[in-house]
Amino acid sequence: DAKTTQPTSMDCAEGRAANLPCNHSTISGNEYVYWYRQIHSQGPQYIIHGLKNNETNEMASLIITEDRKSSTLILPHATLRDTAVYYCIVRLNTGNQFYFGTGTSLTVIP
Amino acid sequence: DAMVIQNPRYQVTQFGKPVTLSCSQTLNHNVMYWYQQKSSQAPKLLFHYYDKDFNNEADTPDNFQSRRPNTSFCFLDIRSPGLGDAAMYLCATSTRGYAGRPSFGDGTRLSIL
Repeated sequence: DAKTTQPTSMDCAEGRAANLPCNHSTISGNEYVYWYRQIHSQGPQYIIHGLKNNETNEMASLIITEDRKSSTLILPHATLRDTAVYYCIVRLNTGNQFYFGTGTSLTVIP
Repeated sequence: DAMVIQNPRYQVTQFGKPVTLSCSQTLNHNVMYWYQQKSSQAPKLLFHYYDKDFNNEADTPDNFQSRRPNTSFCFLDIRSPGLGDAAMYLCATSTRGYAGRPSFGDGTRLSIL
């Protein structure tokens, strides 16, 4: 199964872009990359997912490298409410399992 | 709104006393998951159902069991809770297929006395 590696913590100034990296060097061709975030005492919340191409929605952008071994989640204008733990997940192509990485604790600073 | 509902949000049980956590969904997803999340850790997958097909993770203790009587409901049974089982338990649902994305409930926080 493809594993993910993320930095333990990051800080970002309010109003600036937050760039959260994820390494998934063993990802296989049919596995999607998902990003979720979790605010304390709540369930994880879906942000975005992608396969090969870069993706953008109302919350964030996802940049996947051409070799698909890493990706970056971009929050274009971070707010204090974006303070959370962000998880990068790779979905196995042999089943339905979702395995969480260690996550990055993002703190947005006023 | 379609959603994943976990009841109760907080559950207290005694050491060794069986406890059941429940999850329901209105999304009509055919995959349902149970995760355990201990303090300051990432959620850890315990098992999942694809329809009625149960899939256990290799390192899930035998103390943890699950039931899915129908599409909408799924239960987590802890037969003899130990102090180490105190955690947040998260339920999630998904459609099958690579592009399906899991929807999570807000969890049940289990305390063991």
